Amino acid sequence: DAGVIQSPRHEVTEMGQEVTLRCKPISGHDYLFWYRQTMMRGLELLIYFNNNVPIDDSGMPEDRFSAKMPNASFSTLKIQPSEPRDSAVYFCASSFRSHNTGELFFGEGSRLTVL
Amino acid sequence: AQSVTQPDIHITVSEGASLELRCNYSYGATPYLFWYVQSPGQGLQLLLKYFSGDTLVQGIKGFEAEFKRSQSSFNLRKPSVHWSDAAEYFCAVGLYNTDKLIFGTGTRLQVFP
Repeated sequence: DAGVIQSPRHEVTEMGQEVTLRCKPISGHDYLFWYRQTMMRGLELLIYFNNNVPIDDSGMPEDRFSAKMPNASFSTLKIQPSEPRDSAVYFCASSFRSHNTGELFFGEGSRLTVL
Repeated sequence: AQSVTQPDIHITVSEGASLELRCNYSYGATPYLFWYVQSPGQGLQLLLKYFSGDTLVQGIKGFEAEFKRSQSSFNLRKPSVHWSDAAEYFCAVGLYNTDKLIFGTGTRLQVFP
């Protein structure tokens, strides 16, 4: 299997622009997680899906952030409008069943820089 | 609230030396416990996990961890460190009643030859 695939790997944009990050989970995995990593706050869970349905979005920082999973093989995380404080590495991870019985497989991340 | 603490932000060891990375958690019951490793520019990879049973668990790359309920700890160990072990290590807690995985702030390991 190709693993979790994220795109783009790097994104540099200006404040106010829309940013869309993409994720393709491992085939057969029914959980998908979006994490954000910064030096100050470490790894934060933003939102996760089970069978394409958002289960918990309490980690989404504000309304500027939204995530969708239209099908089992694709998810997006959108920031609109973007701000400099959104600069971070965004990770997508997937797992078969809950992480509590399985293992999270992480993508290589999307590094976002907002100027 | 549930939390994970990794007291050491940065650790430096010589190649061949032993290693112990500390992890403490705060949770009302025995949680599921994990250690993940992140190499530069990469995503996280699972090293090992503890759910129940034997409190000493073996993982990949020669790592092991011991769950100590009395100390609310799950420290990661390796008897002899290799230069390729230089990375960032994250302890994580999985909660029974949710699917969430809560990560510690990480410990960066530097290995000198």
